Amino acid sequence: DAGITQSPRHKVTETGTPVTLRCHQTENHRYMYWYRQDPGHGLRLIHYSYGVKDTDKGEVSDGYSVSRSKTEDFLLTLESATSSQTSVYFCATSSGNYEQYFGPGTRLTVT
Amino acid sequence: KQEVTQIPAALSVPEGENLVLNCSFTDSAIYNLQWFRQDPGKGLTSLLLIQSSQREQTSGRLNASLDKSSGRSTLYIAASQPGDSATYLCAVRPPGGYQKVTFGTGTKLQVIP
Repeated sequence: DAGITQSPRHKVTETGTPVTLRCHQTENHRYMYWYRQDPGHGLRLIHYSYGVKDTDKGEVSDGYSVSRSKTEDFLLTLESATSSQTSVYFCATSSGNYEQYFGPGTRLTVT
Repeated sequence: KQEVTQIPAALSVPEGENLVLNCSFTDSAIYNLQWFRQDPGKGLTSLLLIQSSQREQTSGRLNASLDKSSGRSTLYIAASQPGDSATYLCAVRPPGGYQKVTFGTGTKLQVIP
């Protein structure tokens, strides 16, 4: 699997605070993705990136923003966390054949 | 809108049994289909990737087939082992490559020793 790390792995935060999750890859993959996984909803795409500084929205992008200033890093920011954003967040990458590789996930709890 | 269904949602089999997991999709215009396994509290691990032009892919005891015309893929696991216990998900990618992938909700497999 691609070398994908996510930080932090666990986070508890309060409603209204900003939160940034980081995804780091060592495979030089062009494409990067942020998903959230919730019981009953499965995996849903939040945002994706198709190159440095090139990003686009997924199906559940409201309340989230992303940035990609380097090939290896893809940041997901919750501008003002809400309880509905309590979830497990996964980063994924893919190269030209579009086979996706996933990171270990970040468990975020918003109280 | 692409919809991906995996039935059954859960499956329990005795060790050593051969088994088939199903993945159905509504739009046959796909770029590729990928099978994953997910262990509790872990990320997804890629098992097999089938491009739209392929009929099947094999890796060890795993064999995945793809029939676009019927909107189906199957994952065959031979001689199941307790270590195969996990949730198995399929994901369908549309033409255009990097765009939105649609995931199934998964089949939770338990292999009983």
